[in-house]
Amino acid sequence: DQQVKQNSPSLSVQEGRISILNCDYTNSMFDYFLWYKKYPAEGPTFLISISSIKDKNEDGRFTVFLNKSAKHLSLHIVPSQPGDSAVYFCAASDPFGNEKLTFGTGTRLTIIP
Amino acid sequence: DAGVIQSPRHEVTEMGQEVTLRCKPISGHNSLFWYRQTMMRGLELLIYFNNNVPIDDSGMPEDRFSAKMPNASFSTLKIQPSEPRDSAVYFCASSQNRESFWQPQHFGDGTRLSIL
Repeated sequence: DQQVKQNSPSLSVQEGRISILNCDYTNSMFDYFLWYKKYPAEGPTFLISISSIKDKNEDGRFTVFLNKSAKHLSLHIVPSQPGDSAVYFCAASDPFGNEKLTFGTGTRLTIIP
Repeated sequence: DAGVIQSPRHEVTEMGQEVTLRCKPISGHNSLFWYRQTMMRGLELLIYFNNNVPIDDSGMPEDRFSAKMPNASFSTLKIQPSEPRDSAVYFCASSQNRESFWQPQHFGDGTRLSIL
């Protein structure tokens, strides 16, 4: 049972345009959400997070939006750059799971120069 | 600062052999996590430790898998006997867990395991 779902395995975006990566979750107890970025042959690196008490968090070119009623979050990257080409994982945690993170299956983003 | 260090980076072995994966967390981090990445299931948490004590091992697939953390700077994940379906990339991550704030997990570069 996949509690965190990333339904798009891949996405291609033109350099300079906006990239939008989506994530859906089913567990209403999740209260903290994160995005990780992963390059080939490397481990995932933390990108940005959002608490359930907020609906938006911004860090430079990266913005995460949370829609609790829809159990949906999205990551916006603008403008997209070639170095953004990577696999992006959405993850979530709940207050009863201690630090346990539940990850999605990832979306491979390719930025076309 | 040194990140999370995993060894070996690659392991190829025959079915039935014992496999031991190693992890050195970031100094000062008190939580350690073992994950397995596959195409079908993405990143799955196998087990995690807090202050060297296993907290949740519900993700460990079966008795062939075991993990230990004898001290704050070292952990092992062992598979015995190994099977071809264990082939995956195994990641170790660590974090500094504090009651008052949440810290992201820092990942090592993984061990790519191939069981023939």
